[in-house]
Amino acid sequence: SQQGEEDPQALSIQEGENATMNCSYKTSINNLQWYRQNSGRGLVHLILIRSNEREKHSGRLRVTLDTSKKSSSLLITASRAADTASYFCATDPDSGGGADGLTFGKGTHLIIQP
Amino acid sequence: NAGVMQNPRHLVRRRGQEARLRCSPMKGHSHVYWYRQLPEEGLKFMVYLQKENIIDESGMPKERFSAEFPKEGPSILRIQQVVRGDSAAYFCASSATGFFNEQFFGPGTRLTVL
Repeated sequence: SQQGEEDPQALSIQEGENATMNCSYKTSINNLQWYRQNSGRGLVHLILIRSNEREKHSGRLRVTLDTSKKSSSLLITASRAADTASYFCATDPDSGGGADGLTFGKGTHLIIQP
Repeated sequence: NAGVMQNPRHLVRRRGQEARLRCSPMKGHSHVYWYRQLPEEGLKFMVYLQKENIIDESGMPKERFSAEFPKEGPSILRIQQVVRGDSAAYFCASSATGFFNEQFFGPGTRLTVL
């Protein structure tokens, strides 16, 4: 099963509103990362939050992490049309030196209506 | 400072042919990761390489798939005797170090098997 699962799968809001996406995961992690993918393009790294951090900001982005609930949220404030994209959370599992690859969810497709 | 480069961007192969996907990491990065994104699914980790070494290939199919990252030149993901199920987007990422570091992604190679 997926390590990271985003919720909702799709979200449509009006420009200027805030968009909130959630991510749940199953195993212990070193960090959790959020990526954006515009249609037909590669992934763009947005923000990384470490397992000992609870909240992080970057511009209009705010990420929270609750390791007790194994969940994270990404908030985009004052959304713009250019924010229309798919957003993925990716977990870097605490596998004791095992696989260093990230595990991605299926993503949340965000549509900002002008 | 060029980002992660992948080529070709689009690759069409007939069943039974070989596919070679190339990835040049960011300057100064010696860690390379390959991911596969099947249609309507999240990215899945395939393999992690450092120069001349495969560190973790736990996500790569045992047959037909191989990866290398030679001392000189790009990392290569090779798929022999392709089948329709190999049609996907293949993303390469690189990082400065293997742990706790953000991974920078290339634009991906979209493989279509006819």
